[in-house]
Formats: sequence, C-alpha cells, structure tokens
Amino acid sequence: AQSVAQPEDQVNVAEGNPLTVKCTYSVSGNPYLFWYVQYPNRGLQFLLKYITGDNLVKGSYGFEAEFNKSQTSFHLKKPSALVSDSALYFCAVRDENTNAGKSTFGDGTTLTVKP
Amino acid sequence: DVKVTQSSRYLVKRTGEKVFLECVQDMDHENMFWYRQDPGLGLRLIYFSYDVKMKEKGDIPEGYSVSREKKERFSLILESASTNQTSMYLCASRRAGELFFGEGSRLTVL
Repeated sequence: AQSVAQPEDQVNVAEGNPLTVKCTYSVSGNPYLFWYVQYPNRGLQFLLKYITGDNLVKGSYGFEAEFNKSQTSFHLKKPSALVSDSALYFCAVRDENTNAGKSTFGDGTTLTVKP
Repeated sequence: DVKVTQSSRYLVKRTGEKVFLECVQDMDHENMFWYRQDPGLGLRLIYFSYDVKMKEKGDIPEGYSVSREKKERFSLILESASTNQTSMYLCASRRAGELFFGEGSRLTVL
C-alpha cells in the first residue's frame, strides 16, 4: 500500500520569506513523488517530480523539493515567497511497483503569502 | 501544450438523474483518470483507464461507471445521482509520470 501525508492544513508566510510545505510518504518499493498546485476554481498544475537521481529537484515558478529517503519526506520549498504563490498544494506518491494507474494524493496544504 | 478539456465547468442535477461528465485530451496519452476532490479529503481516484475499452476501479468506484471508446475521450457516468455525489470532479491524462488535469467539473446534486 502507498500513502502520503501533508501534516499542515495551512501554512502562512510573509512575502519575501522562505516557505516550506511538508510531505511524508509511505511505499513498499521506490517512490515516484510529485507536487501539484491548484489555484481557486482551477485544475491542478504540475510543479515538479522526483523519480531518481539528484535528491534536490527544481521545478516551476522557483519551487524546489528535497527527497529524503531516511525520513521518507519530500518537502516543497521556495527561498522567497510571493503573494501570487498563495494556492492549494498537493503532494502525490506512486510506488514504482504499483500498476499503471494509481497515484495517491495528500489532503492538500493551503499556502497563504501575506504582503 | 497538453490540453485536457472537461465539457462542463458547472452542473446542477436532481437526485436520480443520469449524469455524464466528458473529458477529452489532445496528446494521445494512453492513461486517463477521474478523481473526485472534496475539502479536507484531497483527491480520491474513482476510475482510471490505461487503454481504449480498458478500465480499472480506483479507490471509490461505487455509484460511478466509465466509458473509453476512443483514446482521447474518457467519460464518467453517474447512473443515478445522489446528493453525496455533490463534488468537484477532475479528469487527468498522464505522460512520463506527470498528470495533466482539466479545469474540473463542479457538480451539485439537489
């Protein structure tokens, strides 16, 4: 079985400060990990993914995420937050051994960046 | 750019009605998915399809069925809508592990 947890429902940061949105996962094999962002009344947009290789993954809009196998974590980070980063963020995992379809999503974290 | 189009952004239906949600993708992806999104519950997989006429149940298939007669089109069907199916429905297709989502269909069942 695979699962993913986003321990914070809400993250608030001031514009210009660094931000972190946390994600931990559980899989039986090697994980494929993803971050998506959702703006109000829109579908999800892909930010970045980790499949293999370098533990630090860079993605869209200046976001990055660090894969930590020992802590089973894949936290999303950005050095300097913008008000326009305010949105709902989802972490997702897929076990490499799972069948073609199933990614499991976390419950989402609402990021609010205040001016 | 990959485009996933959901035919209806907002629908209002009555209990017991049959509801069709249509999804079309333009990039020849083999894998397509239907998710349901509810506050505090994240995204839950209803059904997915890895090829034409092939389908597999996701985590919450009860009360839903799907149809994939052509590669680009994946339809979600609610045979008899109920109020607990009021939700946001998201269609997605997949390439190289990355999911491409439509804008969503917000269904209200009265």
